[in-house]
Amino acid sequence: AQKVTQAQTEISVVEKEDVTLDCVYETRDTTYYLFWYKQPPSGELVFLIRRNSFDEQNEISGRYSWNFQKSTSSFNFTITASQVVDSAVYFCALSEAGAGSYQLTFGKGTKLSVIP
Amino acid sequence: SQTIHQWPATLVQPVGSPLSLECTVEGTSNPNLYWYRQAAGRGLQLLFYSVGIGQISSEVPQNLSASRPQDRQFILSSKKLLLSDSGFYLCAWSSKSRVDTIYFGEGSWLTVV
Repeated sequence: AQKVTQAQTEISVVEKEDVTLDCVYETRDTTYYLFWYKQPPSGELVFLIRRNSFDEQNEISGRYSWNFQKSTSSFNFTITASQVVDSAVYFCALSEAGAGSYQLTFGKGTKLSVIP
Repeated sequence: SQTIHQWPATLVQPVGSPLSLECTVEGTSNPNLYWYRQAAGRGLQLLFYSVGIGQISSEVPQNLSASRPQDRQFILSSKKLLLSDSGFYLCAWSSKSRVDTIYFGEGSWLTVV
């Protein structure tokens, strides 16, 4: 069975600091997808990124970057020069490809607080 | 562009009362639809998903039910709420061509008292 672990329950950083959110996953499939979602205080889940298991190239989008390491089954998320608006709960999720795989398995989330 | 809306945004219901949460998707046809629940201090849990009108799959046994009366409408119901039903309910959708990428609605906060 698939599993996603976000060991950091809560993180606090001072504005402009860099912060990395850890995500470790478990799956038996060779084809799978990894995601990060942001949940601001308003509650909605905002899709940030989707990576497939065959693409280990790291990705950067503005202040956000993602480090996918299959060897350690990790998909870490780094925010550079954090801002107060980054304060939210961040979820890592895993989806296995194949028939009937319509669901995401979520980690329990990491609450990030950016202090001005 | 596609949008997803669910309502009501918040509600407080007494134990034993019925529940109806509604979700609609615009800008796409024949989507896969989902209901997730996020209990306090916990992660997200898939409750139901639907690949078409009248087709509902349940992931977790509970006193909740789901229905899909129209292509882009998904309803979460209960005949009698329990205290343990309190939580944040999220409707979501994905396209048939990209079932692995799911987009979420604004969510509904349910407090059962």
